[in-house]
Amino acid sequence: DTGVSQDPRHKITKRGQNVTFRCDPISEHNRLYWYRQTLGQGPEFLTYFQNEAQLEKSRLLSDRFSAERPKGSFSTLEIQRTEQGDSAMYLCASSFVGTNEKLFFGSGTQLSVL
Amino acid sequence: GQQVMQIPQYQHVQEGEDFTTYCNSSTTLSNIQWYKQRPGGHPVFLIQLVKSGEVKKQKRLTFQFGEAKKNSSLHITATQTTDVGTYFCAGRDNYGQNFVFGPGTRLSVLP
Repeated sequence: DTGVSQDPRHKITKRGQNVTFRCDPISEHNRLYWYRQTLGQGPEFLTYFQNEAQLEKSRLLSDRFSAERPKGSFSTLEIQRTEQGDSAMYLCASSFVGTNEKLFFGSGTQLSVL
Repeated sequence: GQQVMQIPQYQHVQEGEDFTTYCNSSTTLSNIQWYKQRPGGHPVFLIQLVKSGEVKKQKRLTFQFGEAKKNSSLHITATQTTDVGTYFCAGRDNYGQNFVFGPGTRLSVLP
């Protein structure tokens, strides 16, 4: 069990640029979640996948955000035309669906939009 | 939509004192989970509660799920400096599959 990996750990970008983050879940997990966390707040749900299907997306999520999970393995989260308000820690979590489902988080990607 | 609140926002205690954080949901939950996030770290799963009125213990930590399945609490007996961090509750209601996190309670333990 190598845990959930996220890349990059830090990303600094200029407003208006596009950024893409990657998440590699624990290999046997079939669910993958994306959360966003700002300082002093709890993780805010963005979207989740079960295998390769994106099953739920937050209504608060701008259409500048898109996520994919091709082949049900790793996932990417892309933010287009970044804004300063997008600055946050982007957390990925994976799980195995079931009655005792629990989330295993990665270390996150810290995004700073200048 | 479902909202989860926690109080207090911050708690400073002397080492050895007890600590309690409370979690309230706007909707009835199918289950509730607790996570701990150390400073600079990521949330780590602690426990899940499913049944109405359920109480679970992990060493000095006691978790409780309310009878109406809309609130929960975490109590730490005789805090230690290793308990420092932010404690989040995360609830899943009967309609959605995602976990909605509360804003967390940040615990500081003074030696």
